[in-house]
Amino acid sequence: AQSVTQLDSQVPVFEEAPVELRCNYSSSVSVYLFWYVQYPNQGLQLLLKYLSGSTLVESINGFEAEFNKSQTSFHLRKPSVHISDTAEYFCAVSVRWRLIFGTGTRLQVFP
Amino acid sequence: NAGVTQTPKFRVLKTGQSMTLLCAQDMNHEYMYWYRQDPGMGLRLIHYSVGEGTTAKGEVPDGYNVSRLKKQNFLLGLESAAPSQTSVYFCASSSVSGGADEQFFGPGTRLTVL
Repeated sequence: AQSVTQLDSQVPVFEEAPVELRCNYSSSVSVYLFWYVQYPNQGLQLLLKYLSGSTLVESINGFEAEFNKSQTSFHLRKPSVHISDTAEYFCAVSVRWRLIFGTGTRLQVFP
Repeated sequence: NAGVTQTPKFRVLKTGQSMTLLCAQDMNHEYMYWYRQDPGMGLRLIHYSVGEGTTAKGEVPDGYNVSRLKKQNFLLGLESAAPSQTSVYFCASSSVSGGADEQFFGPGTRLTVL
């Protein structure tokens, strides 16, 4: 069965510092991988996704994630965070048309 | 283009009361989903629909029922609310592309059962 593990429930970081949010998945078949972001009191929004091709995918606001098949990971990184990046981040794996979510990582950016 | 909308935004129920949450989407999506979000547990799928007139159970379907009479609407019902159903409920929709497509989420309904 497919599953997603986000090891860090909270990640505090100072503004302009780099950050990495970790995601590992388990699956016996090829998968599609996603990162969603949830800002306070809002629904989830797609941040980026990996379907095939280049293992490095980028978002429009500076985040990137690298698909690593051998380590079954899809970690999210940003070289320099901003206060506005404070949010909860969910990694997800697609199983047919369904999404299986990790438990989320709360990124708190301090000035 | 409103995307995915949910009503109501907030609701407080007493144990045993019933209610219906309404989800509407204007993107002509075939697939619709109901999730619940609880602290430390991420999002869990309650029920989903792969098209008008169809519904199926997700991970945590007990205590909930759903209906998809119209393609654009997906209703979630609680027949006899319990405190364990206190949660934030999200509706989502996606197109038919085998799981590669983005799911679009509504703003959520915060339900408290006393």
